[in-house]
Amino acid sequence: NAGVTQTPKFQVLKTGQSMTLQCAQDMNHEYMSWYRQDPGMGLRLIHYSVGAGITDQGEVPNGYNVSRSTTEDFPLRLLSAAPSQTSVYFCASTGTSGEQYFGPGTRLTVT
Amino acid sequence: GEDVEQSLFLSVREGDSSVINCTYTDSSSTYLYWYKQEPGAGLQLLTYIFSNMDMKQDQRLTVLLNKKDKHLSLRIADTQTGDSAIYFCAESKGSNYQLIWGAGTKLIIKP
Repeated sequence: NAGVTQTPKFQVLKTGQSMTLQCAQDMNHEYMSWYRQDPGMGLRLIHYSVGAGITDQGEVPNGYNVSRSTTEDFPLRLLSAAPSQTSVYFCASTGTSGEQYFGPGTRLTVT
Repeated sequence: GEDVEQSLFLSVREGDSSVINCTYTDSSSTYLYWYKQEPGAGLQLLTYIFSNMDMKQDQRLTVLLNKKDKHLSLRIADTQTGDSAIYFCAESKGSNYQLIWGAGTKLIIKP
């Protein structure tokens, strides 16, 4: 079991560029989430999905899109990167007791 | 409103016990969780407790839950340098699997 995997580990973008952060889980969990973590701001929920084909917005969804075509994969797309999106991004998958399992994170810098 | 509060820092001597505290507001929470985040890493699930329990022990970790005061604590016995990390408390919101996160407590170990 690999658990939750994320790629890439690090990324530098220029303002206006787009990219996709990949997330995959092999635990057959229905519920998955994307968070961003900024110093002094804790974890903030961007988008989440309760199953294949179903996604919804979290606390800070603007500038991000998600899709869930399979149970395993939950990619996060940055449409037009802005310096305010410089952050560490975590994907999580939820188990049967609501416990969340996190990937190692993607450290994104937008210049 | 919904809020989970933690002290930002805790400093303990190596070998002593660490007690990290958390207060939450939602009395309907079904589960409460503790996570550990080491520098540059993702969040690692340490343990969680069901709301009808008062205590849970797992090796050096003891979780105490006081439902009346909505207070959760994590005790780490015989604190080691490897315990140096940020510890996050989180509460569940029931059936939609969203978690409410504390801001994290940074545990500093003094030699």
